[in-house]
Amino acid sequence: QVRLQESGPGLVKPSETLSLTCSVSGDSITTYYWSWIRQPPGKGLEWIGYIYYSGSTNYNPSLKSRVTMSLDMSKNQFSLKLTSVTAADAAVYYCARLVGTSGWFDYWGQGTLVTVSS
Amino acid sequence: DIVMTQSPDSLAVSLGERATINCKSSQSVFYSSNNKNCLAWYQQKPGQPPKLLIYWASTRESGVPDRFSGSGSGTDFTLTISSLQAEDVAAYYCQQYSTTPPTFGPGTKVDIK
Repeated sequence: QVRLQESGPGLVKPSETLSLTCSVSGDSITTYYWSWIRQPPGKGLEWIGYIYYSGSTNYNPSLKSRVTMSLDMSKNQFSLKLTSVTAADAAVYYCARLVGTSGWFDYWGQGTLVTVSS
Repeated sequence: DIVMTQSPDSLAVSLGERATINCKSSQSVFYSSNNKNCLAWYQQKPGQPPKLLIYWASTRESGVPDRFSGSGSGTDFTLTISSLQAEDVAAYYCQQYSTTPPTFGPGTKVDIK
């Protein structure tokens, strides 16, 4: 069974960098594409981007200037960094497995709430 | 970006009755290479992540009850719950993956009447 688990600070100050990690078990991160998706409280879902084990990435143009994704194959983890956060970045952040470079998301983490406040 | 819209915003259906959710894309999500539509449906219960129900507009994910079905083509799609059960109370989202970035509809909340 594939499992994903997000981890990272739940509180980030405005203008600082949000950093999250997703730990994957039950599958190797070399086999699929891996994504981050966020959901502001009470709102809809926004795709942030994906990373492949080769290092290939693709980011949502709306966030591209502030997003960096990376992966650690030795730990079977991938990570998200979002710089210069504002209140608009407050959301539940999910990591998910993406089928193909542009497909559906078949496994999701439980999500982690990130609040932006000083 | 392809804009996804859903209707209604919410609906209440009696147990055992049919629930129908509509999803519309701002441009066609038909993929001519395999004659399929790049459209997925998810169910999200409060405090939980979305759960994949359907992909390629009508292919049910493994383990999803057959009361859930998807249909449609081009720009207009429907998710049908043929006989609503109490455990189906949730928000439902459509997602297109025809172009990057993949985009989601705003969601439809389903409740029991």
